[in-house]
Amino acid sequence: KNEVEQSPQNLTAQEGEFITINCSYSVGISALHWLQQHPGGGIVSLFMLSSGKKKHGRLIATINIQEKHSSLHITASHPRDSAVYICAGRSYNTDKLIFGTGTRLQVFP
Amino acid sequence: KAGVTQTPRYLIKTRGQQVTLSCSPISGHRSVSWYQQTPGQGLQFLFEYFSETQRNKGNFPGRFSGRQFSNSRSEMNVSTLELGDSALYLCASSLLENEQYFGPGTRLTVT
Repeated sequence: KNEVEQSPQNLTAQEGEFITINCSYSVGISALHWLQQHPGGGIVSLFMLSSGKKKHGRLIATINIQEKHSSLHITASHPRDSAVYICAGRSYNTDKLIFGTGTRLQVFP
Repeated sequence: KAGVTQTPRYLIKTRGQQVTLSCSPISGHRSVSWYQQTPGQGLQFLFEYFSETQRNKGNFPGRFSGRQFSNSRSEMNVSTLELGDSALYLCASSLLENEQYFGPGTRLTVT
């Protein structure tokens, strides 16, 4: 069992839909990162959070420390949101980033 | 501010050779981390350097090594290349333990 798990693995949506990607972790973490990777490989850091909720434009990230769960929400999705979304936890014990396997999102016009 | 740069962007090597990849962090960032991404294993942490010292290391064989220079630029080296080392190698810079800024990556193909 991976220490950081994401669901779903693949997600398709119509433009304008509300999207949720989930991330669960089984280890103690000091921070949770959400990353976006477009075809071609470039990775962009979307959020780093250790509690509560953060919002940036149409993106919202939440984390529940007690339940060891984080969600990434995209409101009013757009085809340019099509990418792989990866969550990663920084382990308390090792201080290393542990990555989920990613969620491939495709948004169709 | 210029972003993280990595050179070269693409590289083809033969089994048994060695390779050196370079990463220049964002100005002012003293922490540089390296990651390997493959279709089978996903993203995996290789090492982290801060102020020329290796701060953390992932579970990779000793063939993988790195260093950081006084200007925070970092290099990683892979010796005795194997087919399984074919991957996208990403570096990221940050202020220590803060948000990471990723470079475009170096795509290494080992034949």
